[in-house]
Amino acid sequence: NAGVTQTPKFRILKIGQSMTLQCAQDMNHNYMYWYRQDPGMGLKLIYYSVGAGITDKGEVPNGYNVSRSTTEDFPLRLELAAPSQTSVYFCASSLRDTQYFGPGTRLTVL
Amino acid sequence: DQQVKQNSPSLSVQEGRISILNCDYTNSMFDYFLWYKKYPAEGPTFLISISSIKDKNEDGRFTVFLNKSAKHLSLHIVPSQPGDSAVYFCAASAWDAGGTSYGKLTFGQGTILTVHP
Repeated sequence: NAGVTQTPKFRILKIGQSMTLQCAQDMNHNYMYWYRQDPGMGLKLIYYSVGAGITDKGEVPNGYNVSRSTTEDFPLRLELAAPSQTSVYFCASSLRDTQYFGPGTRLTVL
Repeated sequence: DQQVKQNSPSLSVQEGRISILNCDYTNSMFDYFLWYKKYPAEGPTFLISISSIKDKNEDGRFTVFLNKSAKHLSLHIVPSQPGDSAVYFCAASAWDAGGTSYGKLTFGQGTILTVHP
């Protein structure tokens, strides 16, 4: 099992550009999550999904969108990148309470 | 409003000694608590967890203690090893009234543990 995979590992965006962060899991987990981690801070929940076709906002959803068309994939979309979205993004999945994380995507918006 | 707090940004310990990492929470609805370990440039890795119906859970060198009345949990690592040097996050989850928020985690800011040989 690859677990949770994320692409790309790194990306630099210009202000106003858009991009999609990819996340996939092969553990057949129903629950998937997107977090961001800013320097010196804990992880903050952006969006989560309890199954294919069902998504909901977390603590910091503004500027992001998600979709969940399959159990395996949970992409995160940034439509108009802003410097405040410079962060490390982690995707996670779970069956129950314990979440398993991907390696992260480091995004810089200049 | 930080519902989960790790008040010590860093902790330095000698190899072989005990490391104690602390975490406080304010939301009395939290009923499941986890510790994650994170190395640079990697995602957090699950370490150990505890349900609110217990006050202690042990897994090898790692023990988590929960004091519900004080809304405090701690992670003990005995004996500490240089490979334990990492950032440690505590996290907590709670059910919504409708039972649909399964697994949404609230994280503390993290504590950097350094274990010196």
